[in-house]
Amino acid sequence: GENVEQHPSTLSVQEGDSAVIKCTYSDSASNYFPWYKQELGKGPQLIIDIRSNVGEKKDQRIAVTLNKTAKHFSLHITETQPEDSAVYFCAKTGGFKTIFGAGTRLFVKA
Amino acid sequence: GAGVSQSPSNKVTEKGKDVELRCDPISGHTALYWYRQSLGQGLEFLIYFQGNSAPDKSGLPSDRFSAERTGGSVSTLTIQRTQQEDSAVYLCASSISNYEQYFGPGTRLTVT
Repeated sequence: GENVEQHPSTLSVQEGDSAVIKCTYSDSASNYFPWYKQELGKGPQLIIDIRSNVGEKKDQRIAVTLNKTAKHFSLHITETQPEDSAVYFCAKTGGFKTIFGAGTRLFVKA
Repeated sequence: GAGVSQSPSNKVTEKGKDVELRCDPISGHTALYWYRQSLGQGLEFLIYFQGNSAPDKSGLPSDRFSAERTGGSVSTLTIQRTQQEDSAVYLCASSISNYEQYFGPGTRLTVT
């Protein structure tokens, strides 16, 4: 019940296309679902988050959806650009503990 | 303002030696977290501080690992008698709540 499953592990898209990363979990206590972007040699950076009382949130080219009944949430990046290339992590938080997915390496080809 | 800082950025040590890793959180952030990231892997939760107390130490891999936080600010993660499997990037994050976490750049530890 503690893990977060993240798919795919690697994603390659053409510049301008959309990218979708999906995560699933199994517990009922998690109420906060952040997404982080990690570039090479740097720490993860929060890019968007969603709380359990919201189904969708959008910030420019990035959107996150949450289906709390089905226990899955997704990151959508539209009009991808080469600078979107990085590793993306989903996570879930219940109380003080945050559990991260294994990460998705996104390649955006120019 | 200043973000989370960590030192050293890189540390190479011989197997069996002790190491200390330091984290300076964002001023005013009461929550502080340590994670370990092995090459190409996700983040493994190690320990969480609220103020100076650590209510959950369950993520520490063994009794060779310990952490403390003083003055509700700086934290040190100590690894005693380092082993090669301890080689990883150690990340620190701070938060004003238990939600948005701000990460430092990490300390890359290599045990030879």
